[in-house]
Amino acid sequence: NAGVTQTPKFRILKIGQSMTLQCTQDMNHNYMYWYRQDPGMGLKLIYYSVGAGITDKGEVPNGYNVSRSTTEDFPLRLELAAPSQTSVYFCASGPGELFFGEGSRLTVL
Amino acid sequence: QKEVEQNSGPLSVPEGAIASLNCTYSDRGSQSFFWYRQYSGKSPELIMFIYSNGDKEDGRFTAQLNKASQYVSLLIRDSQPSDSATYLCASSIGNQFYFGTGTSLTVIP
Repeated sequence: NAGVTQTPKFRILKIGQSMTLQCTQDMNHNYMYWYRQDPGMGLKLIYYSVGAGITDKGEVPNGYNVSRSTTEDFPLRLELAAPSQTSVYFCASGPGELFFGEGSRLTVL
Repeated sequence: QKEVEQNSGPLSVPEGAIASLNCTYSDRGSQSFFWYRQYSGKSPELIMFIYSNGDKEDGRFTAQLNKASQYVSLLIRDSQPSDSATYLCASSIGNQFYFGTGTSLTVIP
């Protein structure tokens, strides 16, 4: 039982490049979330999903997109990367309590 | 606005002492409350959750909830150096979770 798996763990992007952060969970959870965490800050919700085919914006969705074609997968797409997107990204799943992946550290230069 | 406020610290306590971490929330509709521990460079891990007024104990940890005062706390008894981490308080309303910025705790041997 792997829980929530995120890839890649580290990535450096150039300004304007695009990439996808992958997130997979094997707990059959309906709810999945993407958060970003900046130094000294709490977790900010980017997007969330309550089930396959259903997604919704969180607090800081600009510059990101998501899809949820299956219960297990919830990828986060960054289009036209900007330095402000340098952060640690956490995927989580629930319900009731959140189980977090190990995080993806992204640097945009 | 659904805010969760925490004293960012840092909080330092000697080994064996009681560490007290506090959190307030703004939305009276908040239903459940969570304490996560986050070691540097790692993902948050759930320590405890509470949804009823009063105390909830789990080993060395006690969560306290006072809905009238919109106040949640976490007590760590017999603090150990391994408890040194950032502690995140979170509230939930339905399937939405709101995080504080975290309190940094250092336990001094």
